Amino acid sequence: QITLKESGPTLVKPTQTLTLTCTFSGFSLSTSGVGVGWIRQPPGKALEWLALIYWDDDKRYSPSLKRRLTITKDTSKNQVVLTMANMDPVDTATYYCAHLTYYWDSGAYYYYFDSWGQGTLVTVSS
Amino acid sequence: EIVLTQSPGTLSLSPGERATLSCRASQSVSSSYLAWYQQKPGQAPRLLIYGASSRATGIPDRFSGSGSGTDFSLTISRLEPEDFAVYYCQQYDTSPGFTFGPGTKVDIK
Repeated sequence: QITLKESGPTLVKPTQTLTLTCTFSGFSLSTSGVGVGWIRQPPGKALEWLALIYWDDDKRYSPSLKRRLTITKDTSKNQVVLTMANMDPVDTATYYCAHLTYYWDSGAYYYYFDSWGQGTLVTVSS
Repeated sequence: EIVLTQSPGTLSLSPGERATLSCRASQSVSSSYLAWYQQKPGQAPRLLIYGASSRATGIPDRFSGSGSGTDFSLTISRLEPEDFAVYYCQQYDTSPGFTFGPGTKVDIK
């Protein structure tokens, strides 16, 4: 059974750097075909993908936020860390981490987030 | 960057009725890259459909997905009380990555 849990501050001040940790179990991030992504959701709004790290340490970022984001992994601790610099009140949101499955089958790649953490609400306010 | 549009924004239906949700992409998307999620208030999203038409583990067969190219749909054949929620489509593109649609809320009429 795959589980993920986000942790980090619930309140940050504008201009500060946010650091969130995703601690997971039930899979290894050194296994081919696996990744962990971060997705956020402002209150009452839609989901927004932020970043992804693959098992082989390949990393992808949302173009609109790329300059502010860093994603890393610690395979031995089963953790993925996301940092977001220069926080602003518009960054107030619930932040989720999610397990990505991707594989090749019958001539096509498949990509989907099949397990999600419960999310953590981060408020940006002075 | 591929933009996903979902319609309608809100769908008001009664239990037992059929729901059809639309997801349209601004350019062609590989069917294998298209997924649907359900989200209930206060909960994390849950994967329903991947590869445009494959049900995720444990998802009831009243949920089905279809479509190709730029037009995809999620159908709930007979709404159960627990199906009233917000539904998101999501696509993957090699660059820049993942995109979610704005969501369709299915509420009780």
